[in-house]
Amino acid sequence: DIQMTQSPSTLSASVGDRVTITCRASQSISGWLAWYQQKPGKAPNLLIYKTSILESGVPSRFSGSGSGTEFTLTISSLQPDDFATYYCQQYNNFYTFGQGTKLEIK
Amino acid sequence: QVQLQESGPGLVKPSQTLSLSCTVSGGSISSGGYYWSWIRQYPGKGLEWIGYIYYTGSTYYKPSLKSRVSISLDTSKNQVSLKLTSVTAADTAVYYCAREERQLGRSVDYWGQGTLVTVSS
Repeated sequence: DIQMTQSPSTLSASVGDRVTITCRASQSISGWLAWYQQKPGKAPNLLIYKTSILESGVPSRFSGSGSGTEFTLTISSLQPDDFATYYCQQYNNFYTFGQGTKLEIK
Repeated sequence: QVQLQESGPGLVKPSQTLSLSCTVSGGSISSGGYYWSWIRQYPGKGLEWIGYIYYTGSTYYKPSLKSRVSISLDTSKNQVSLKLTSVTAADTAVYYCAREERQLGRSVDYWGQGTLVTVSS
C-alpha cells in the first residue's frame, strides 16, 4: 500500500493569508495526486488533479505543485469560504488519502 | 450533470452483511472511461477507498477488505452496488459512491452525498 502523510493536521490562518499544505507519498506516484476540499456534512469536492491541474470552476487562488513523493496545495489569499478540511489523494495505485488538514480561522 | 445517490439500511447488526446501492443519473454506468468506487469516511475524518468497478465488470478491491467486499453493476437500473460481509463496529462510517474520470486522469470528480451506516446490535 502507498501511504500518504499530510501536514499539518490543523492550520490556523486569517482571511487574506497565503497557506500551504504538504502531502508526502511513501513511494513515487508519478504525479497522480489530487486535492479535495470537504465541508461539514458534505462529500469531498475535487479541487486539483494530476498534481497541478485546476478542476473546472475552482478559483485560481488554489494551486498545486510537486513531483515524485512531495506535493503541495497552496491557497494564495484565503477567502472566508476556504475554511474547510483538505485531503490529498494518490491514485497511481488504487487510492490512498491523506489524514486531512483542517483549515481554521485564526 | 451526473448525480449519484446512495441508499440502503442505516443500521446493520454485527456479523451481518452491509448492502448499499448507488443510483447514477445524468450518465450511463456502461460508458467507458469511468471507474465507479465505494469510499468510506470514519467518524472523525479518515477516508478509505474500498474498491471500484469498471463498466466491463472488472473489479479492484482494497487488499485488506478483499475477502469481505463485492462490488457489482446493474446496468438495467444504472446502479452500482456494494456488499460488505461480516461487519463489525469498525465498519461504522459514512459510505460514498463516487466516479473516477480515468481517461483524462481527473480522479474522483463526482461523489454521492454519502450515507451513514452504523454497525450495532
